[in-house]
Amino acid sequence: DIVMTQSPDSLAVSLGERATINCKSSQSVLYSSNNKNYLAWYQQKPGQPPKLLIYWASTRESGVPDRFSGSGSGTDFTLTVTGLQAEDVAVYYCQQYYSSPLTFGGGTKVEIK
Amino acid sequence: QVQLQESGPGLVKPSETLSLTCTVSGGSVSSGSYYWSWIRQPPGKGLEWIGYFYYSGSTNYNPSLKSRVTISVDTSKNQFSLKLNSVTAADTAVYYCARVKGTTGSYRDAFDIWGQGTMVTVSS
Repeated sequence: DIVMTQSPDSLAVSLGERATINCKSSQSVLYSSNNKNYLAWYQQKPGQPPKLLIYWASTRESGVPDRFSGSGSGTDFTLTVTGLQAEDVAVYYCQQYYSSPLTFGGGTKVEIK
Repeated sequence: QVQLQESGPGLVKPSETLSLTCTVSGGSVSSGSYYWSWIRQPPGKGLEWIGYFYYSGSTNYNPSLKSRVTISVDTSKNQFSLKLNSVTAADTAVYYCARVKGTTGSYRDAFDIWGQGTMVTVSS
């Protein structure tokens, strides 16, 4: 199984500042035949299902604000929220879909400082 | 737009079988463009992929649950179902059904549409 490790477990950021979440996979999720990273990011607010933010490590899902961006390749990935808004308070998960079983990171809780 | 809705008992006794249904509206489970999955989340914890179903009958399950899981489809009702047998308290979780995005033509893709989830408690 590919183990996804997120850091930090939680972080507090002032409104308007930047939040950076890291995700590391135990093996590369870069598929050489198409040069795509099989990595997604989700946002989950209390009492709600996860919402897809980013796929292919850096492609924003339709309707997702451009303050959310994803970067990285191979085994190391980052989700950045530039200009944190109050509505961004949530738990964020990374997920690999490179191989079965599909696996998620443990989550990072983002709060307002 | 496609919507998913889980349904089923909220309380299951230990050693019995958990049975849930996901009703798809605005789209078809028989569409060859998508895979359909179940994912669960124990209270206060992270997400665990359970498995997927494809309209052709193809399935793939998480090895951690494989011996106890069955995912099937009822195309006449546009639903797909989850059965998890011999449940224990460790199976207590919110269960979500989700659609695999469909950009790759395989299950190896992100989950773009989720149901609201249904809480299942295993307790006598």
